[in-house]
Amino acid sequence: AQSVAQPEDQVNVAEGNPLTVKCTYSVSGNPYLFWYVQYPNRGLQFLLKYITGDNLVKGSYGFEAEFNKSQTSFHLKKPSALVSDSALYFCAVRDPRGRGSTLGRLYFGRGTQLTVWP
Amino acid sequence: DVKVTQSSRYLVKRTGEKVFLECVQDMDHENMFWYRQDPGLGLRLIYFSYDVKMKEKGDIPEGYSVSREKKERFSLILESASTNQTSMYLCASSEPSGTGSYEQYFGPGTRLTVT
Repeated sequence: AQSVAQPEDQVNVAEGNPLTVKCTYSVSGNPYLFWYVQYPNRGLQFLLKYITGDNLVKGSYGFEAEFNKSQTSFHLKKPSALVSDSALYFCAVRDPRGRGSTLGRLYFGRGTQLTVWP
Repeated sequence: DVKVTQSSRYLVKRTGEKVFLECVQDMDHENMFWYRQDPGLGLRLIYFSYDVKMKEKGDIPEGYSVSREKKERFSLILESASTNQTSMYLCASSEPSGTGSYEQYFGPGTRLTVT
């Protein structure tokens, strides 16, 4: 079965320091992976995705993520955190071998609350 | 820009009421989804639809039904609202599979409180 794990409920980092939000997945074959961000009282916003190709994917707001097949991970990173990056982050996976009506489904992790303090 | 709108940002209903949550997308997307979001549980899929009049149960369909009479509109119905349905409800849409674009686009959410 497809699943995504975000092992940390909360990540705290000082402004200017690098940040990492972790995600591991469980999908047979080559997964499609996504990161979303949710600011308070808002819907989810798409940040970046990995479908195929270069393992390092660059996205919005200076974020990037590295696909690591051997470790089944897709960690979100940013070299220098901003206070405005404080938000809830979700990792999601799509099984490319899904069939029929389930092809469009994404499976979401439980989310990681990122807090960047000044 | 893809736009997904939801009929209400905040809604307060009484136990036993029938509740309609509406979602509209303006990008001609085939797929539409309803999730609920609860602290510590992340997003859980209630129902989704991959075409007009087509629907599939997600992981937690009990107590909910849906309607998709037009491509751009996907409605979530709580037949008889209960307090355990107090939650944030998120609607999303995406292009059909095979287009190479698999990300979902989300509406702002409806925070429903059932008293």
